[in-house]
Amino acid sequence: KQEVTQIPAALSVPEGENLVLNCSFTDSAIYNLQWFRQDPGKGLTSLLLIQSSQREQTSGRLNASLDKSSGRSTLYIAASQPGDSATYLCADWVTGANSKLTFGKGITLSVRP
Amino acid sequence: DTAVSQTPKYLVTQMGNDKSIKCEQNLGHDTMYWYKQDSKKFLKIMFSYNNKELIINETVPNRFSPKSPDKAHLNLHINSLELGDSAVYFCASSLSNVAEQYFGPGTRLTVT
Repeated sequence: KQEVTQIPAALSVPEGENLVLNCSFTDSAIYNLQWFRQDPGKGLTSLLLIQSSQREQTSGRLNASLDKSSGRSTLYIAASQPGDSATYLCADWVTGANSKLTFGKGITLSVRP
Repeated sequence: DTAVSQTPKYLVTQMGNDKSIKCEQNLGHDTMYWYKQDSKKFLKIMFSYNNKELIINETVPNRFSPKSPDKAHLNLHINSLELGDSAVYFCASSLSNVAEQYFGPGTRLTVT
C-alpha cells in the first residue's frame, strides 16, 4: 500500500526566501507524481505533474523534481511571496490496474511579509 | 469558464436525511472522481469512473452511491446521513486514470 509523507506539516518563512518542500513515498513503482496547492476553503489547484520518465518540471518560480529510486520528490519555490501562502500537497499513482492517486497530508506554508 | 464545477458549495442537513451533490466537467475528460477531505484535511479517494463505468470503489459505505449519467457528469447521492459524513467532498476529472487531475471547488457537507 502506497504511503505518501510530507514533513514538516507546517512551515513559516520570511518573504524572498527560496524554499524546498519535501515529499516521500514508499512504493517507487509510480506512474506520475502531481503537486497541488490548496488555499483555505478552496479546491485544489494543480501546480506540476511529473511523469515517471521525467526528473523534473518547471513552471515560473516553481520547480518539482522526482527521484523514484529514493522515493522522493521536492517542490522548490524561488523568491517566496506572501501570495504563496497555502497548503501544498503531493500525490502519486502507483503502477497497476485501476491506479489511484494517493495524497500526502500536505505542508501548510506561511510566507511572512 | 469553470472547468470542474460542483453544486451545492455548502450543504447543511440533519442526520438521517438523503442528499445529493452534483459535479460537471467541461474539459472533455474520460475519468471522474469523488474525494473526501476530512476534518484533519486528509484527502482520500472514494470513487472513480471511466467512461461512465465505475473503476474504483474505495470501501465506501453503500449509503454512498455515485451515478454517472454521461462522461461529463458524476453525481454523489448519500442516504441516511451520519455525523461522520461531515467533510468536504471534492469532484475531479482527468483525461485518463493516470493523467493530471483537475479538482472542483468542493462541497462542504455538515450533518447536524
